[in-house]
Amino acid sequence: DAMVIQNPRYQVTQFGKPVTLSCSQTLNHNVMYWYQQKSSQAPKLLFHYYDKDFNNEADTPDNFQSRRPNTSFCFLDIRSPGLGDAAMYLCATSSRTGGVKTQYFGPGTRLLVL
Amino acid sequence: TQLLEQSPQFLSIQEGENLTVYCNSSSVFSSLQWYRQEPGEGPVLLVTVVTGGEVKKLKRLTFQFGDARKDSSLHITAAQPGDTGLYLCAGAGTDKLIFGTGTRLQVFP
Repeated sequence: DAMVIQNPRYQVTQFGKPVTLSCSQTLNHNVMYWYQQKSSQAPKLLFHYYDKDFNNEADTPDNFQSRRPNTSFCFLDIRSPGLGDAAMYLCATSSRTGGVKTQYFGPGTRLLVL
Repeated sequence: TQLLEQSPQFLSIQEGENLTVYCNSSSVFSSLQWYRQEPGEGPVLLVTVVTGGEVKKLKRLTFQFGDARKDSSLHITAAQPGDTGLYLCAGAGTDKLIFGTGTRLQVFP
C-alpha cells in the first residue's frame, strides 16, 4: 500500500547531540511537510517542500533544518536538541494538483531528549 | 493570521452519548478537513467539506460546513470507546493546512 513511513518510531537523544529523523513516501507526492506536535496540541508546521523548493515557517527555530534529496525522502535535522524539543514529529505529504489538498500523515517519531 | 478555534478542548463522555465539536474561524476557507488522531499515531483524514452548507455523513459521524465557509461542526451519535482520540479540524491554505486547536475526546465504556 502507498504510504508515508517514518523511522524510527521512537528516538532518544542527549541534550545538545544532533539527531536526524527520516520520512519516506511511496505516494509520489510533490509536497512534503514536517510538523512538531506536543501533547494534546495541534501539529505545528515547521517547514515544507514543494518539490525542491524549501519553505520555512517564520517561527521555526534555526536549530531545525531539513533536507529533501529526492521526491521520496525528507529528513529533519535537529542540530542541538534541547529539552523543549521533546515532542512527536510528524511527516506529511500532499499532491499540489487539484483544488483540495489532502495531507497524508506518517505515524510520527516520538523524540525524547535526556 | 488565520486561526481555527475548536470547542470544547476536552470532552469525557459515556458510551452511547451524543456530542458535537465545533470549529470556528473569522476567515473563509476554500475547504475544511477533519482528522482523528489516536495516541502515538499520525492524524488520519475523516472527511473534506468544500461547499458552504455541505453536510457529509460517515457512519455515526456527521460533518457540516457553515454557509459562509468559516466554521464547521462534527456530531457523533451514540459514541463508542473506539471514537476516543484527538479531533482536529484544518482549513486549506496555500500549500499548507491551518490546524484547529484540537478537541480531545474520551469515551468511557
